[in-house]
Amino acid sequence: DAKTTQPPSMDCAEGRAANLPCNHSTISGNEYVYWYRQIHSQGPQYIIHGLKNNETNEMASLIITEDRKSSTLILPHATLRDTAVYYCIVTGNQFYFGTGTSLTVIP
Amino acid sequence: SAVISQKPSRDICQRGTSLTIQCQVDSQVTMMFWYRQQPGQSLTLIATANQGSEATYESGFVIDKFPISRPNLTFSTLTVSNMSPEDSSIYLCSVDSGRNTGELFFGEGSRLTVL
Repeated sequence: DAKTTQPPSMDCAEGRAANLPCNHSTISGNEYVYWYRQIHSQGPQYIIHGLKNNETNEMASLIITEDRKSSTLILPHATLRDTAVYYCIVTGNQFYFGTGTSLTVIP
Repeated sequence: SAVISQKPSRDICQRGTSLTIQCQVDSQVTMMFWYRQQPGQSLTLIATANQGSEATYESGFVIDKFPISRPNLTFSTLTVSNMSPEDSSIYLCSVDSGRNTGELFFGEGSRLTVL
């Protein structure tokens, strides 16, 4: 079962940073935090993951709090193509998707 | 990255019939997964398709309703049996990347409508 809580929806102005929060207060020591997104009518796409350190790749940054009970996905310069549902997943093995956050990037 | 092909991409079926969805991967993968996404909902894991053994089903899903085959490391099928309108969903195949990151790759899904 999903172990994460995300806001159902968010808006972000094009060109601005999109900060998507995720609560995972019951995370275990060996569980990773993964972020995926699903653009309408497509399969989910991997974005980034982390264990306890902050991570950055070409798509996004992941900030994990010191107690690991929450995290934030940052899209530094949101574009219209970033409009999607973003899923935060906590897992040590299987991937169980929660309800996600529907991000709308506004021109 | 793995390239995943699913067939059919979409289909319209009659109540009471069965449909088999195919998932072909362009490389050998250890783990293959089947998900369901009902209209307007998130993804739900149906089962893990194990090569050479029976699939491992999640709670709420049974083999009689969703039989799965995994004859080799690049192919799997999911059958939706005795369909009802409640089975109308997108069914997605997913594979482990093989990298030590736990990352999954997903197919584009098979959109099934049951009348």
